[in-house]
Amino acid sequence: GAVVSQHPSWVICKSGTSVKIECRSLDFQATTMFWYRQFPKQSLMLMATSNEGSKATYEQGVEKDKFLINHASLTLSTLTVTSAHPEDSSFYICSAPRDVTDTQYFGPGTRLTVL
Amino acid sequence: GENVEQHPSTLSVQEGDSAVIKCTYSDSASNYFPWYKQELGKGPQLIIDIRSNVGEKKDQRIAVTLNKTAKHFSLHITETQPEDSAVYFCAASTIGTSGSRLTFGEGTQLTVNP
Repeated sequence: GAVVSQHPSWVICKSGTSVKIECRSLDFQATTMFWYRQFPKQSLMLMATSNEGSKATYEQGVEKDKFLINHASLTLSTLTVTSAHPEDSSFYICSAPRDVTDTQYFGPGTRLTVL
Repeated sequence: GENVEQHPSTLSVQEGDSAVIKCTYSDSASNYFPWYKQELGKGPQLIIDIRSNVGEKKDQRIAVTLNKTAKHFSLHITETQPEDSAVYFCAASTIGTSGSRLTFGEGTQLTVNP
């Protein structure tokens, strides 16, 4: 069964509003989680690394003030898209390494549509 | 940083045939190579992985081979079935550094024709 969950699975919002996406590891603790963005027919683009108890590490070109990440506990990381615009519409996916062997499991993704 | 190239970008086979997808990586420090299957509208699903201390790994109809010297690894699917149709991504990582950050290839759209 799924070991990483995401909520919501899809969301539609108006331009200018903020949207929060949750990523949970279901049966293991994850001190690190990763957030990706994927456009249609493209590969996964790493946005940021979420670290429990400390600040997230953002990839070059990703606006940290626009994509707020909070790793509040060992099983939960959240991504908030602030002041969303149509160009933020995308498929957002999180992942987490399960154990010290670092096998990474992905969530089912969240489809964000900004009108 | 690491760069992963994946070929082909599309692959069409007849049911029952074999499919092979190849990836090359640039960073000799990479030591972990997973393969993911992604169906439309879903998150990637890990199907098999290999670590640099082995050259081949097999799980039923799926196998992965690794050539560390040449820095390339391949996914082999035998006896393909229509349900194997999906996008497949290879990835590379250095376990123990950078929080196990994965670098992905561009993906291969596999179509298995019945």
